[in-house]
Amino acid sequence: DTGVSQDPRHKITKRGQNVTFRCDPISEHNRLYWYRQTLGQGPEFLTYFQNEAQLEKSRLLSDRFSAERPKGSFSTLEIQRTEQGDSAMYLCASSPRGPDEQYFGPGTRLTVT
Amino acid sequence: DQQVKQNSPSLSVQEGRISILNCDYTNSMFDYFLWYKKYPAEGPTFLISISSIKDKNEDGRFTVFLNKSAKHLSLHIVPSQPGDSAVYFCAAYAGTYKYIFGTGTRLKVLA
Repeated sequence: DTGVSQDPRHKITKRGQNVTFRCDPISEHNRLYWYRQTLGQGPEFLTYFQNEAQLEKSRLLSDRFSAERPKGSFSTLEIQRTEQGDSAMYLCASSPRGPDEQYFGPGTRLTVT
Repeated sequence: DQQVKQNSPSLSVQEGRISILNCDYTNSMFDYFLWYKKYPAEGPTFLISISSIKDKNEDGRFTVFLNKSAKHLSLHIVPSQPGDSAVYFCAAYAGTYKYIFGTGTRLKVLA
């Protein structure tokens, strides 16, 4: 399967804990996006990478959130000191060029208890 | 402030009939739009796009219409099939690598 993959698919954590999610984009795609989706809403943009460079961050991405794409391939999204409001689906997408269609992974569902 | 709006949260259509999903946007600078379909427990899947230099784009059973003066686009599915039942999102390219999604419309195609 050459689609976008995300790991884990589900994560339950206690408030205050740190969590890290991984995204593996389609191999030839140099553009990578992270989104957050809550119930009844569309995906909300969090951040964008072109190769290893993080070129855009939403103000939704508080200082508890950090994302990396160290070698321009896979990416990680870390949330420190999780809060209940962080409970959401975290989606990763990649695209070969922009603006263009994005290919989404299945998402990581985070539940903070 | 929601810059991309899908005012109908749900829509039911009989199999074989036309489904029309609507999307409105507020920023006239948006010049590229996409539609995505999302099944439960999966990420959104790209359906069709349209650039502002066109007013229509067609791909099989799916056609997107763009009315720039009204800041409105619509997705037509003809004929609708039960497998089309999903949540549909429209999205606008807002520049600086950012896409803005609507809140989605849940389509149910009745057999």
